Amino acid sequence: GNSVTQMEGPVTLSEEAFLTINCTYTATGYPSLFWYVQYPGEGLQLLLKATKADDKGSNKGFEATYRKETTSFHLEKGSVQVSDSAVYFCAHGGATNKLIFGTGTLLAVQP
Amino acid sequence: DAGVIQSPRHEVTEMGQEVTLRCKPISGHDYLFWYRQTMMRGLELLIYFNNNVPIDDSGMPEDRFSAKMPNASFSTLKIQPSEPRDSAVYFCASSLVTGGADTQYFGPGTRLTVL
Repeated sequence: GNSVTQMEGPVTLSEEAFLTINCTYTATGYPSLFWYVQYPGEGLQLLLKATKADDKGSNKGFEATYRKETTSFHLEKGSVQVSDSAVYFCAHGGATNKLIFGTGTLLAVQP
Repeated sequence: DAGVIQSPRHEVTEMGQEVTLRCKPISGHDYLFWYRQTMMRGLELLIYFNNNVPIDDSGMPEDRFSAKMPNASFSTLKIQPSEPRDSAVYFCASSLVTGGADTQYFGPGTRLTVL
């Protein structure tokens, strides 16, 4: 069935470190892929998305590339900041009109 | 654009009471989603609407939960009677076209505590 698997957290990094959060999915066809971010006490907000294979989504220094061959959409950032501390959700959407979310990965960035 | 609006932001009630959560989607969005978020179960889709019509309510936990969308700018999620295990953050989200392929915009959530 349709699912999203993302790495367990928490991920704890020092400021300016490199970030990778892994995400893989199973789906019928070629769904759009998303990363959402949830800051403390807030709702989820879209961070970036990609709608077809080999597309790269990017925003606020974060990037993720739609890899059809490995069914992956890993999130990366070259230099994290304390303000990036949040929970990150990978998701995919398809013909069902529903988004399938991963369990979320808590990122804590220390100064 | 004001974004998705939810009220109340916080609700504390006693077991057995009726709780009503409210949502105003972004104007012009055709799809509306209700989610529940807990530490134990993560983010769960409860129900979604297309053009005010409920399409999939398979995530609604039990008959104590009901949702309505009387018009394009308003939806409610009701719990009657409420139980302590219903304590969670409830999010409403809306999207423009096909919810699966399109971005969903989330409201700030209602934090429900049932004592």
